[in-house]
Amino acid sequence: GAGVSQSPRYKVAKRGQDVALRCDPISGHVSLFWYQQALGQGPEFLTYFQNEAQLDKSGLPSDRFFAERPEGSVSTLKIQRTQQEDSAVYLCASSPHQDRDTEAFFGQGTRLTVV
Amino acid sequence: AQSVSQHNHHVILSEAASLELGCNYSYGGTVNLFWYVQYPGQHLQLLLKYFSGDPLVKGIKGFEAEFIKSKFSFNLRKPSVQWSDTAEYFCAVNGARGGNKLTFGTGTQLKVEL
Repeated sequence: GAGVSQSPRYKVAKRGQDVALRCDPISGHVSLFWYQQALGQGPEFLTYFQNEAQLDKSGLPSDRFFAERPEGSVSTLKIQRTQQEDSAVYLCASSPHQDRDTEAFFGQGTRLTVV
Repeated sequence: AQSVSQHNHHVILSEAASLELGCNYSYGGTVNLFWYVQYPGQHLQLLLKYFSGDPLVKGIKGFEAEFIKSKFSFNLRKPSVQWSDTAEYFCAVNGARGGNKLTFGTGTQLKVEL
């Protein structure tokens, strides 16, 4: 497709379960971002990839969160031993190059509910 | 760290009313400024952006925003709103210290009534 695709759209996990969220960025886009959006809040930065290199993971809230982009295209955000506070919408965004003055294109997000 | 403040969390307007949504940011260096919109059930979409040059920028669907550096503000305006403008609006900034990652405000939920 033409846009950023995320799957699954919805995920319900039992507390303690591991989850994996997938992002297919726009083809050829160099930069890929993950954001977390809690209810009633704006998106908050989690991590950034330039091609396959994870250049910034300063926003990951704990070592239970792990992201990868092994071939510089598809990315996976993994959350181990999920907790209730992990419930949020996880957004993926991509942009065509690494510069600041460029638009980021967002996917529709994965809504994670931890019960 | 950068921060973005959006003053209005919920705004209700009648069709044809004028709109102004406030946005202030904390970082004093060179920044890029964005307004994103999220229509119900859809993904975040770029409404407009400011990188440099004319501080009055025009975006899609009749929206505009003015960058006032001395006030650290980037308020969004539309002279006459339509029912279809009902959505959530997010102001965002990126800058030298933060690199290209975006820092978002908490959003403003706009409801336009017929």
